[in-house]
Amino acid sequence: SQQGEEDPQALSIQEGENATMNCSYKTSINNLQWYRQNSGRGLVHLILIRSNEREKHSGRLRVTLDTSKKSSSLLITASRAADTASYFCASNQGGSEKLVFGKGTKLTVNP
Amino acid sequence: SAVISQKPSRDICQRGTSLTIQCQVDSQVTMMFWYRQQPGQSLTLIATANQGSEATYESGFVIDKFPISRPNLTFSTLTVSNMSPEDSSIYLCSVQGLQETQYFGPGTRLLVL
Repeated sequence: SQQGEEDPQALSIQEGENATMNCSYKTSINNLQWYRQNSGRGLVHLILIRSNEREKHSGRLRVTLDTSKKSSSLLITASRAADTASYFCASNQGGSEKLVFGKGTKLTVNP
Repeated sequence: SAVISQKPSRDICQRGTSLTIQCQVDSQVTMMFWYRQQPGQSLTLIATANQGSEATYESGFVIDKFPISRPNLTFSTLTVSNMSPEDSSIYLCSVQGLQETQYFGPGTRLLVL
């Protein structure tokens, strides 16, 4: 069953603006991962943050994790039209390799 | 990272028929995962496929409907049996790589008429 909730469900911004997406989860996790999906195709792994980390950067991506609030955020800076996609958070619980996905945020970046 | 291919990439099927989806990985992996993504929805895990043993199904998914084979460490198949329009979805396989990152295949888009 899905345990992640993401908001907003849809986000529309202009090129150059920043996009922030949030994810909440319900149980203890080992790590939390963010994925991108273009037009119903396969998922591309963006970044993984471990439960003992608070912030992680990768290029224009910044991910934070607050285990006390069971929440994470993904920030995309200086967005581009090519960033238009759906973004999902996913977490695994305890020692399991199974991922539980959030509902996703559909991001549209207008040129 | 692992390179994963799936066949077919898409198909249109009649209700009552079955479709077998193949997943091939370019390296040996212990576990492979099969997910379903219904239209406009997120991913839901169907089952975990272990080589040499029965697949482990998640709540709401049964072997009779979604039989899985795992003949070796680089290959798995998922069959969607006795299909109905409600089975129209994208089906994705994935494997876990280094440092707990999961890698996904390109997906199989299924439409059942």
